[in-house]
Amino acid sequence: NAGVTQTPKFQVLKTGQSMTLQCAQDMNHEYMSWYRQDPGMGLRLIHYSVGAGITDQGEVPNGYNVSRSTTEDFPLRLLSAAPSQTSVYFCASSYSENEQFFGPGTRLTVL
Amino acid sequence: GQQLNQSPQSMFIQEGEDVSMNCTSSSIFNTWLWYKQEPGEGPVLLIALYKAGELTSNGRLTAQFGITRKDSFLNISASIPSDVGIYFCAGSLQGNLIFGKGTKLSVKP
Repeated sequence: NAGVTQTPKFQVLKTGQSMTLQCAQDMNHEYMSWYRQDPGMGLRLIHYSVGAGITDQGEVPNGYNVSRSTTEDFPLRLLSAAPSQTSVYFCASSYSENEQFFGPGTRLTVL
Repeated sequence: GQQLNQSPQSMFIQEGEDVSMNCTSSSIFNTWLWYKQEPGEGPVLLIALYKAGELTSNGRLTAQFGITRKDSFLNISASIPSDVGIYFCAGSLQGNLIFGKGTKLSVKP
């Protein structure tokens, strides 16, 4: 099993550009989530999904959209990137909200 | 929103020493989790605790779920250089994990 995979590993955007961060898992997990990690802030939940077709907002959802059309994939969309969205983004999956397995992260810089 | 207070923020220890870190919250959690993150990687789950008072070990790591359900601690015995990293606690209550801000551990050989 590849576990949780994320692409790209690194990305630089200009303010106002849009992009999609990809996340895929091959463990047949129902629960998937997106976090952002900023220095000194720990991990903060952006959006999560408890199954295909179901998504909900986390602690810091503004500026991000998600969809879950399949069990395997959970992409995160930035509609109009802002410098405040410079961060490291982690996708995670699990059978429930507990014991989440994390991907290797995407390091995003918005200029 | 809910917050976890994790302490200490950082530790500098000598190889072979024991380490203790803890998390406290004003909220009650049903689950406590401890993760380790190494530079450039995602967090990796070390220990999961599901019951108040539960004490669980994973090799040299021991974690406990506080009896009040508002705290948890993690001990590392006989530290080695590969223990270096950031350790995060996380609490789960109603469907989502809340993370502490991490304890950065440095180990001198």
